[in-house]
Amino acid sequence: GESVGLHLPTLSVQEGDNSIINCAYSNSASDYFIWYKQESGKGPQFIIDIRSNMDKRQGQRVTVLLNKTVKHLSLQIAATQPGDSAVYFCAENGRYSGGGADGLTFGKGTHLIIQP
Amino acid sequence: GAVVSQHPSWVICKSGTSVKIECRSLDFQATTMFWYRQFPKQSLMLMATSNEGSKATYEQGVEKDKFLINHASLTLSTLTVTSAHPEDSSFYICSARLSGGGTQYFGPGTRLLVL
Repeated sequence: GESVGLHLPTLSVQEGDNSIINCAYSNSASDYFIWYKQESGKGPQFIIDIRSNMDKRQGQRVTVLLNKTVKHLSLQIAATQPGDSAVYFCAENGRYSGGGADGLTFGKGTHLIIQP
Repeated sequence: GAVVSQHPSWVICKSGTSVKIECRSLDFQATTMFWYRQFPKQSLMLMATSNEGSKATYEQGVEKDKFLINHASLTLSTLTVTSAHPEDSSFYICSARLSGGGTQYFGPGTRLLVL
């Protein structure tokens, strides 16, 4: 079946450095992608989204890049801070079997660790 | 804005009992809400799509008679885990989408432990 996956399960970076979290997706029909941040024991928190008619979108300290040719999505976090430590999930509006066409397909997640 | 709450935040119950979890959109109306389940160190998996005033749409492998969903208003959806068993222990998370489409906003989750 089609899925959304991540290249690295754990990413460790120094405080102040930039972080790049990658995501590969396989559903070529996906047209909406979202990055979520999830802290331990909490629900996912929306970070940034991008539609398939764009290849880059910037927010505050975050940038999402979309490469539809190779079905790749990345999240860049500038000047990482201790509060950025969390698990980051990419998600896409995948095609679910039950017909819930707007339900999200989540990737496996990357645990971002910020070292002092 | 776009705040979603869940109640309770955690629950412990005996095997065989039923547990109801509420999901509320606090400052917006949500025609559609979604229920996800997350096991430890795993990703979120969609269980069902809940539409206000109509029957929920369940994903393959999710028993509709075990996970009862009711979406009686534009701000409230409930998930009832009937005859819960230890394998139902998980983190249940709902999300709500603004009417007319758009981003899904997630609740804080409900941790269920079935003994």
